Amino acid sequence: AQSVTQLDSHVSVSEGTPVLLRCNYSSSYSPSLFWYVQHPNKGLQLLLKYTSAATLVKGINGFEAEFKKSETSFHLTKPSAHMSDAAEYFCVVIPYNNNDMRFGAGTRLTVKP
Amino acid sequence: NAGVMQNPRHLVRRRGQEARLRCSPMKGHSHVYWYRQLPEEGLKFMVYLQKENIIDESGMPKERFSAEFPKEGPSILRIQQVVRGDSAAYFCASSPGQGKVEETQYFGPGTRLLVL
Repeated sequence: AQSVTQLDSHVSVSEGTPVLLRCNYSSSYSPSLFWYVQHPNKGLQLLLKYTSAATLVKGINGFEAEFKKSETSFHLTKPSAHMSDAAEYFCVVIPYNNNDMRFGAGTRLTVKP
Repeated sequence: NAGVMQNPRHLVRRRGQEARLRCSPMKGHSHVYWYRQLPEEGLKFMVYLQKENIIDESGMPKERFSAEFPKEGPSILRIQQVVRGDSAAYFCASSPGQGKVEETQYFGPGTRLLVL
């Protein structure tokens, strides 16, 4: 069975400090991995995706994520948080040869001035 | 190039009424997915459709819920005899449908259903 675990339900950082949102997955084969962001009362927006190309993936708004197969992790990072980054972030896995997206429970990011 | 469109954005129904949620995929996309986001929970897959065909409905509740994606017009998620527990945000996503399993899904803004 494929699953995705977001290790922190809530992360709080100060503006200008680094962001780390953790995600671990379980997968029998190489999955496709995504990070989506959801701002309050908005739909989901794709931040970045990994599909077996480069293991370090750069996304929009300065975010990036590194696929580490040995650790089955796909953590999302940003060097310097901005107030506009406050939102809910979802790590998503699509198992190999399957169109069913599996969502993590989400991590709410709060950015303090 | 318009993105995925959903309407209405907000829908209020009384218990026992029917709710119809509409989703127009991005231009050129032939695959549609429906997800439900319950309060304080993540998103859960409900159903995956192509034009005139249900591919995977493993996430759909067994009763009262149905989905269609006709040859012409938007995809419809229909909830009959709504109950308070149906209150949630319902998101639609679309993808090009070129048969690639890693296709990016593009999400609509969601429909927030409130059942009184």
